[in-house]
Amino acid sequence: KQEVTQIPAALSVPEGENLVLNCSFTDSAIYNLQWFRQDPGKGLTSLLLIQSSQREQTSGRLNASLDKSSGRSTLYIAASQPGDSATYLCAVNTGTASKLTFGTGTRLQVTL
Amino acid sequence: DAGVTQSPTHLIKTRGQQVTLRCSPKSGHDTVSWYQQALGQGPQFIFQYYEEEERQRGNFPDRFSGHQFPNYSSELNVNALLLGDSALYLCASRFGLAGVLSTDTQYFGPGTRLTVL
Repeated sequence: KQEVTQIPAALSVPEGENLVLNCSFTDSAIYNLQWFRQDPGKGLTSLLLIQSSQREQTSGRLNASLDKSSGRSTLYIAASQPGDSATYLCAVNTGTASKLTFGTGTRLQVTL
Repeated sequence: DAGVTQSPTHLIKTRGQQVTLRCSPKSGHDTVSWYQQALGQGPQFIFQYYEEEERQRGNFPDRFSGHQFPNYSSELNVNALLLGDSALYLCASRFGLAGVLSTDTQYFGPGTRLTVL
């Protein structure tokens, strides 16, 4: 059974700092991995999707890496801003029919 | 282009009642998945509908059922509500069933917050 773990559970950083969020998964037979952002009480917004054959993906200040063999992914956020405050979830797709297995998320607060 | 929409936004029910949640997929999408997100947890996969059939199901009891209509919209029904069913219910849509080489992401709706008293 696939299990996804995210560390840390919560993180508070001052504005402008670079930061790394971690995601690990137990079954390396994944098709892809996604990072999502969730604002309080809201739905999910997809940030980055990495295919199993890829090592990293970048979008603006965000960079996600994937090491499938070790079951790890990181989300790097450069020059953090207060607007980045949200919960960040990683999810792996290990089969057809697009079923996603999610971690419990990292709650990020960026302070002024 | 409207994204994924869900209704209602919030819902309060009592134990033992039945509830129906609704989802309209993003334009051009034909596959709908439902997830349950308890407070402080990640979303848990309930089931997926494609071509009006349930294609895959997560570890949820038969009290959870669904339906997909010819226009690709979907309903999630929960019978005999329990306190533990209180959660944010998320709908996600995509085009087609995900294959091994799929690069398409799923688009999530804003969710329906269900409170069971």
